[in-house]
Amino acid sequence: AQRVTQPEKLLSVFKGAPVELKCNYSYSGSPELFWYVQYSRQRLQLLLRHISRESIKGFTADLNKGETSFHLKKPFAQEEDSAMYYCALSGVGGSNYKLTFGKGTLLTVNP
Amino acid sequence: GAGVSQTPSNKVTEKGKYVELRCDPISGHTALYWYRQSLGQGPEFLIYFQGTGAADDSGLPNDRFFAVRPEGSVSTLKIQRTERGDSAVYLCASRRQGEAGELFFGEGSRLTVL
Repeated sequence: AQRVTQPEKLLSVFKGAPVELKCNYSYSGSPELFWYVQYSRQRLQLLLRHISRESIKGFTADLNKGETSFHLKKPFAQEEDSAMYYCALSGVGGSNYKLTFGKGTLLTVNP
Repeated sequence: GAGVSQTPSNKVTEKGKYVELRCDPISGHTALYWYRQSLGQGPEFLIYFQGTGAADDSGLPNDRFFAVRPEGSVSTLKIQRTERGDSAVYLCASRRQGEAGELFFGEGSRLTVL
């Protein structure tokens, strides 16, 4: 079974402060991990994936297989980062392409 | 090109009625997913199509829920004998062949069962 846990429902920071959104997963195999974001009144969209190892909008996430974590980080939060963030996990290959989401963390960046 | 399109955007129905929700994926996307999102929850997987066939329908909650994709493009999610607990936003997403995890979502169909 695959499971994604986001322990924080709400996270509030001030503009310019560092932010970390936590994500832990459970999967018997080698998963692919993703962060999706939903801005106000917009559709859910991919933010970044662990295999690309890139920084998007200043966000990075490192897959830690030992701790089964995939935390999302940004050193200096901006007001436009306020959104709902979902961590997601997929198996690889054939019918394993089911994407399982966590419950999400609502990030609010205050001015 | 156009993104994933879902209709209706809002549907209000009475308990016990039958409902159909439609999804038009991005042209050329072979994989199509249905998710359900209740208030305060993340998207919950329902079913995944690869082409015309359901590759994984393990998320359908019971036999009142059924989905089809007869020509490998448009999909319809069908809910029989609706219950108040079926009230949620139903999300559709599509994906290119071989691009694991990069789903393109529609805006969703909000279903309210009175």
